[in-house]
Amino acid sequence: DGGITQSPKYLFRKEGQNVTLSCEQNLNHDAMYWYRQDPGQGLRLIYYSQIVNDFQKGDIAEGYSVSREKKESFPLTVTSAQKNPTAFYLCASRPTQGQYEQYFGPGTRLTVT
Amino acid sequence: GQNIDQPTEMTATEGAIVQINCTYQTSGFNGLFWYQQHAGEAPTFLSYNVLDGLEEKGRFSSFLSRSKGYSYLLLKELQMKDSASYLCAVRDPYNTDKLIFGTGTRLQVFP
Repeated sequence: DGGITQSPKYLFRKEGQNVTLSCEQNLNHDAMYWYRQDPGQGLRLIYYSQIVNDFQKGDIAEGYSVSREKKESFPLTVTSAQKNPTAFYLCASRPTQGQYEQYFGPGTRLTVT
Repeated sequence: GQNIDQPTEMTATEGAIVQINCTYQTSGFNGLFWYQQHAGEAPTFLSYNVLDGLEEKGRFSSFLSRSKGYSYLLLKELQMKDSASYLCAVRDPYNTDKLIFGTGTRLQVFP
């Protein structure tokens, strides 16, 4: 089955720790995205990548880092510099040719205490 | 700046029709999307409008008026499973690889 996987579904961390969220896709999509979703707010773009070994900051990149070493994988690290890391994190991908819609993974709910 | 407005919450009855509105104020326009998101789950794609008019897909239809900066999602024959949030998003006029999302409309369907 083709799709996007994010693991784990729920993640708990102590304040001050870095944590990496996994995102893998087997759709052969070129572009990948990370969003953050908070209650009462729309999806906000953290980082995106249109091609391997290249990525761009989104609207709220501070306190986050990413890498894109493989086409299939786009991990997100939430660093201790992120002031309010508790949120629902969604990964998405999109082919760069033809279609415009983004396909989303199931999300990871991160709780930092 | 770019801005998208949607009602925060709506309620409707099973079997009825509901219209969810979305207005946008952007410096340009390259397309509008509707997504459905059940609580705690991934958004799923419903429709894409780039030209004025109505696009129908089964029980769901989406309308766009570019001159008015307005779209709506029409849900017919509502079912309990339609209880979800509905997200309106437009392609960023400065970078079409990016989407700008509204805050979403939470729809509750009652029996």
